[in-house]
Amino acid sequence: EDKVVQSPLSLVVHEGDTVTLNCSYEVTNFRSLLWYKQEKKAPTFLFMLTSSGIEKKSGRLSSILDKKELFSILNITATQTGDSAIYLCAVERKASGTYKYIFGTGTRLKVLA
Amino acid sequence: DSGVTQTPKHLITATGQRVTLRCSPRSGDLSVYWYQQSLDQGLQFLIQYYNGEERAKGNILERFSAQQFPDLHSELNLSSLELGDSALYFCASSKGPSAQYFGPGTRLLVL
Repeated sequence: EDKVVQSPLSLVVHEGDTVTLNCSYEVTNFRSLLWYKQEKKAPTFLFMLTSSGIEKKSGRLSSILDKKELFSILNITATQTGDSAIYLCAVERKASGTYKYIFGTGTRLKVLA
Repeated sequence: DSGVTQTPKHLITATGQRVTLRCSPRSGDLSVYWYQQSLDQGLQFLIQYYNGEERAKGNILERFSAQQFPDLHSELNLSSLELGDSALYFCASSKGPSAQYFGPGTRLLVL
């Protein structure tokens, strides 16, 4: 059965700390892994990763994928209170000519001032 | 603002009823995705359309159906509603099998 597991479930840090969020997966016919940030309402796209070992960066956020060990990490450096959100990891897989998306349950990050 | 619009914003209805949720994708996006997010189950992928045709199917109940119209807007129809269908329903769009941009969601409450 396809599975996407995120850890930790919840994290509380102080402003300025660095955090690492984990996403491990077990899916067949992997196509890509995506990271989203969900604040009050709709998820917003952060990164899409398809190749192992290539880091994607956007400001203080970065992410990397390991297709051999089947996981990805999302790093946030110098955290700010505005980083408080639920971070969702999703895996896209090919299935019988179509595609499916499996989401993890998310990591809830709270950054304290 | 992602450029994806959803209506209505909130919907309250009774068990057994039928509702239609509407989504307009970002300009130029051919793919539309529907998701259900409830407190106990997280974000669940329901179905995807690409340029009017069904492309991918997730955990969509038989009581639910969707379609994408020639102008690329999409509707999600939920029928014989049950209490457990109460959730936030998101629509997302993309240009292809890539990053998805989510709309603000429709909050459905079934009483």
